[in-house]
Amino acid sequence: NAGVTQTPKFQVLKTGQSMTLQCAQDMNHEYMSWYRQDPGMGLRLIHYSVGAGITDQGEVPNGYNVSRSTTEDFPLRLLSAAPSQTSVYFCASSQSNPYEQYFGPGTRLTVT
Amino acid sequence: QKEVEQDPGPLSVPEGAIVSLNCTYSNSAFQYFMWYRQYSRKGPELLMYTYSSGNKEDGRFTAQVDKSSKYISLFIRDSQPSDSATYLCAMTSNTGNQFYFGTGTSLTVIP
Repeated sequence: NAGVTQTPKFQVLKTGQSMTLQCAQDMNHEYMSWYRQDPGMGLRLIHYSVGAGITDQGEVPNGYNVSRSTTEDFPLRLLSAAPSQTSVYFCASSQSNPYEQYFGPGTRLTVT
Repeated sequence: QKEVEQDPGPLSVPEGAIVSLNCTYSNSAFQYFMWYRQYSRKGPELLMYTYSSGNKEDGRFTAQVDKSSKYISLFIRDSQPSDSATYLCAMTSNTGNQFYFGTGTSLTVIP
């Protein structure tokens, strides 16, 4: 199993550009989530999904969209990038025990 | 007020020392408490989790939860240089949908 994979690893955007961060897992996990990690702020939940077709907002959802059309994939869309969205983004997934989350390697995003 | 507070450190200890890492929280609905380890430029990995109050031991690691004080701890015995990492506490309610993380404590174990 590849586990949780994220692409790209690094990305630089200009203010106002849009992009999609990809997340995929091959463990048939129902629960998937997106976090951002900023210095001094820890990990903060952006959006999560408890299964295909079901998504909900986390603590910091503004500026981000998600959809879950398959069990395997959970992309995160930045609609109009802002410098405040410069961060490291992590995707995570878990199965029957939602407390055992497996994290991907992260995407480092810089918005100039 | 943040949901979870964690001293960022940094914490530096000699090899073989006992390390104590702590978090406090404000939401009494939290029932599941987790500790993650994160190496530099990597994703967090789950070390252990506990439900409600009590202790849980896994090898050199012991997690403690005191719900009456809203205080959780992770103890590392016989610390090793390979334990050098950032340790994150996390917690959630019974629904298990929204997780709240501490800011992480940076630990260095000196050989």
